[in-house]
Amino acid sequence: GQQLNQSPQSMFIQEGEDVSMNCTSSSIFNTWLWYKQDPGEGPVLLIALYKAGELTSNGRLTAQFGITRKDSFLNISASIPSDVGIYFCASLGGAQKLVFGQGTRLTINP
Amino acid sequence: ETGVTQTPRHLVMGMTNKKSLKCEQHLGHNAMYWYKQSAKKPLELMFVYSLEERVENNSVPSRFSPECPNSSHLFLHLHTLQPEDSALYLCASSQDPAAADTQYFGPGTRLTVL
Repeated sequence: GQQLNQSPQSMFIQEGEDVSMNCTSSSIFNTWLWYKQDPGEGPVLLIALYKAGELTSNGRLTAQFGITRKDSFLNISASIPSDVGIYFCASLGGAQKLVFGQGTRLTINP
Repeated sequence: ETGVTQTPRHLVMGMTNKKSLKCEQHLGHNAMYWYKQSAKKPLELMFVYSLEERVENNSVPSRFSPECPNSSHLFLHLHTLQPEDSALYLCASSQDPAAADTQYFGPGTRLTVL
């Protein structure tokens, strides 16, 4: 089946550092989504990408849809404590079903 | 505020118990979803409902039984579960199944099966 491989699985950084994570697949997708999940909560959509090569920002977050349509990355600049959480990539698979990556757990040392 | 609520937030049950999870969305959406989130695994889609009709059953064991009495409410009835069913169960909604890329998630029910 369609799978998304997300890396790294976890990151431990200092407050103020930039963060980069990515998601790859052997399948081609037409949509890439990035979610954040805070402890005890459900995922919240951060950025949606719909066109190959598209670069989209949401505050300190920037995401890009790879030109091969098989990958995407998410960058967070100047991290702050509230950025802690699990970040998921997702895409629309067959029959409009969301397929998720395994998540990147971000921990920030103040 | 999320617009999608789930109760209970935590549930502990034995393998012979019968319990139900409830989800309610206040967004006027027509599609609702159940997902299972296990540790270190991707979210797994379980069921999709569109206008109270089930449109997707993702090979889920029959010990999980969904019910959608109206477009705002979704239940997941549980019976004779196994310890490996312990997970976070997330409900989500979207305007319709074709808008699956804009799903809103609830906070989840943390289920522990003893």
